[in-house]
Amino acid sequence: NAGVTQTPKFRILKIGQSMTLQCTQDMNHNYMYWYRQDPGMGLKLIYYSVGAGITDKGEVPNGYNVSRSTTEDFPLRLELAAPSQTSVYFCASSYAGGIPYEQYFGPGTRLTVT
Amino acid sequence: KQEVTQIPAALSVPEGENLVLNCSFTDSAIYNLQWFRQDPGKGLTSLLLIQSSQREQTSGRLNASLDKSSGRSTLYIAASQPGDSATYLCAVRYNNAGNMLTFGGGTRLMVKP
Repeated sequence: NAGVTQTPKFRILKIGQSMTLQCTQDMNHNYMYWYRQDPGMGLKLIYYSVGAGITDKGEVPNGYNVSRSTTEDFPLRLELAAPSQTSVYFCASSYAGGIPYEQYFGPGTRLTVT
Repeated sequence: KQEVTQIPAALSVPEGENLVLNCSFTDSAIYNLQWFRQDPGKGLTSLLLIQSSQREQTSGRLNASLDKSSGRSTLYIAASQPGDSATYLCAVRYNNAGNMLTFGGGTRLMVKP
C-alpha cells in the first residue's frame, strides 16, 4: 500500500491564481481530511469527508473548496489564492473500524503565494 | 474554546537521557488522544493513540499516559537517541468535535550525540 499520497510536493502561486491539491489513499478509508500547518504551529482542519459525496467544514474553511466523488480521492481547491494561504497542506485519512479514527497522513504540499 | 497546549516548544537533551514531553487539554470530555512525530519537511507519523478509557499505551521505547481528570498526557521516551530528533505533536479528538482533531503546537526535540 502506498498509503496517502499528495501532489504536487511544492508549488508557487501568484495572488489571484487558482489550483487544486490532489490527495489519494489506497487503504479504503472512509474518512478523509485536509489540514494546513503554518510555521511553528500545530495543524488546523480545513475540510473533512466521512464518505463519497459527503463533505463538511472544519475550523478554517474560508478560501477553499473540496469534493469527494470517490472513496480514494479528496482534492482541495484554492480559488483566488492569497498570501495568507501560504502554508503546508496535509491530507489524512482514517477508518471507523480497527483503531477508531487513527489518522494517517500524507507527506504534504508546500504552497507559497506571492 | 477547546485547546491543546504543548510545553516546552523546544527541548535539547544529551543522548541516552530519559525524557518526558507534555500535552495539556482544556476539556476532559475527549474521545481519544494521539501522539505524532514529524520530521523536517515531512508528514506526520502516528506513534501512539490512547482511547479515553485507557491510561497508557506503549510502543518500544515510547510510553504515553493519559489523565483525563487533570487534562494531561505525557509522552515518555526512554534512552533517547539522535534519531529521535523531530517535532512531536499531540492531538485530541474532543467528544463534541465530530471528526476534528485539535493539535498542539508541538515540541521540537533535539537529541545530541
